[in-house]
Amino acid sequence: NAGVMQNPRHLVRRRGQEARLRCSPMKGHSHVYWYRQLPEEGLKFMVYLQKENIIDESGMPKERFSAEFPKEGPSILRIQQVVRGDSAAYFCASSGEKSYTFGSGTRLTVV
Amino acid sequence: AQSVSQHNHHVILSEAASLELGCNYSYGGTVNLFWYVQYPGQHLQLLLKYFSGDPLVKGIKGFEAEFIKSKFSFNLRKPSVQWSDTAEYFCAVMNTGGFKTIFGAGTRLFVKA
Repeated sequence: NAGVMQNPRHLVRRRGQEARLRCSPMKGHSHVYWYRQLPEEGLKFMVYLQKENIIDESGMPKERFSAEFPKEGPSILRIQQVVRGDSAAYFCASSGEKSYTFGSGTRLTVV
Repeated sequence: AQSVSQHNHHVILSEAASLELGCNYSYGGTVNLFWYVQYPGQHLQLLLKYFSGDPLVKGIKGFEAEFIKSKFSFNLRKPSVQWSDTAEYFCAVMNTGGFKTIFGAGTRLFVKA
């Protein structure tokens, strides 16, 4: 079991482009959480998803950000028209009955 | 290899007992340290963090942690736990000035009423 896989590890986008971050949960896990980590800060919750459902998106910015977790395939965090302030590390975690596991994160740099 | 080790995977305490959860890390540079808590059915929340200065850090809900550089440790403590502290606790280490963060495997705390 490879654990929670996030890709890409590093992503560079120009202002105005779209960023797509992918998260494949651990085998058997059906819950996915996305967090953002800004420089010198801790994790901040963004969204909690189960397959095909958004359970809690209270931490998501109202505009430009969206997330999905389709029946097949990874969870996707999508940021449209990126701005410099979106530069951060984005972490995904997945959970099942007995474990909660983090991915290694995607570092997004907006230039 | 960089790693974070949480010594206890499961801890069971009675109310009013004192708590100490161990966290040791292996990392070659300067680090920032965090403890997070996840209550049942909820997402992660920040309990406390250490960046620099006083190695004894106070967080929310009566928790504190002490950074001992020579031991590469950042243990979490609470003098008297409550039933509502039942949760999973994660230690995390972040390289200073960067984004790389490594998480421990978590410790599940169950407090008996």
